[in-house]
Amino acid sequence: AQTVTQSQPEMSVQEAETVTLSCTYDTSESDYYLFWYKQPPSRQMILVIRQEAYKQQNATENRFSVNFQKAAKSFSLKISDSQLGDAAMYFCAYSLGDSNYQLIWGAGTKLIIKP
Amino acid sequence: GAGVSQSPRYKVAKRGQDVALRCDPISGHVSLFWYQQALGQGPEFLTYFQNEAQLDKSGLPSDRFFAERPEGSVSTLKIQRTQQEDSAVYLCASSSDRDSSNYGYTFGSGTRLTVV
Repeated sequence: AQTVTQSQPEMSVQEAETVTLSCTYDTSESDYYLFWYKQPPSRQMILVIRQEAYKQQNATENRFSVNFQKAAKSFSLKISDSQLGDAAMYFCAYSLGDSNYQLIWGAGTKLIIKP
Repeated sequence: GAGVSQSPRYKVAKRGQDVALRCDPISGHVSLFWYQQALGQGPEFLTYFQNEAQLDKSGLPSDRFFAERPEGSVSTLKIQRTQQEDSAVYLCASSSDRDSSNYGYTFGSGTRLTVV
């Protein structure tokens, strides 16, 4: 079965500090896409960062970066210089691409930012 | 429109009532998806449209769930004879690319359905 596991139901971090959210997944495919989405109380899923599995270089978007370990099937998200606006649920997801368009999601991690 | 619009934002239905949830995707977006998100969980796939064609409805939990997109733009998710286990947030997403995985999706803010 294809699964995504986020082992941290909740994380908290001091404003301006760095926090890492963990994600592991299980697939037998070699080519796929990985995503981190943010869901604030407004409920809209907002794409934070994406990674193509065939690329070894870790994706980076401003304060957000990933640590992609393909062999370990691990895809953690690092948020640097945490801001109050980063507080939200964070979901890890993957898709096999091509005709496999479904996103398979983890259960989410609630990120709390302490002022 | 500028984003994916869903209505209503909240819906309370009595058990056994029929409901219709609307999704207005970004203009010109080819692909449209419905996901169901139970409380405290990640979303789960319900169905996928490419233009007006429903290419995958494998995630619909029962024959009480029905989705349509007759003109390839607005989509409606209909739930007949609602039950308490249908209570969830229903998310709609659209993408301009047939291979949505390349670029991710744009999501709406969802409809929170509560069945009482």
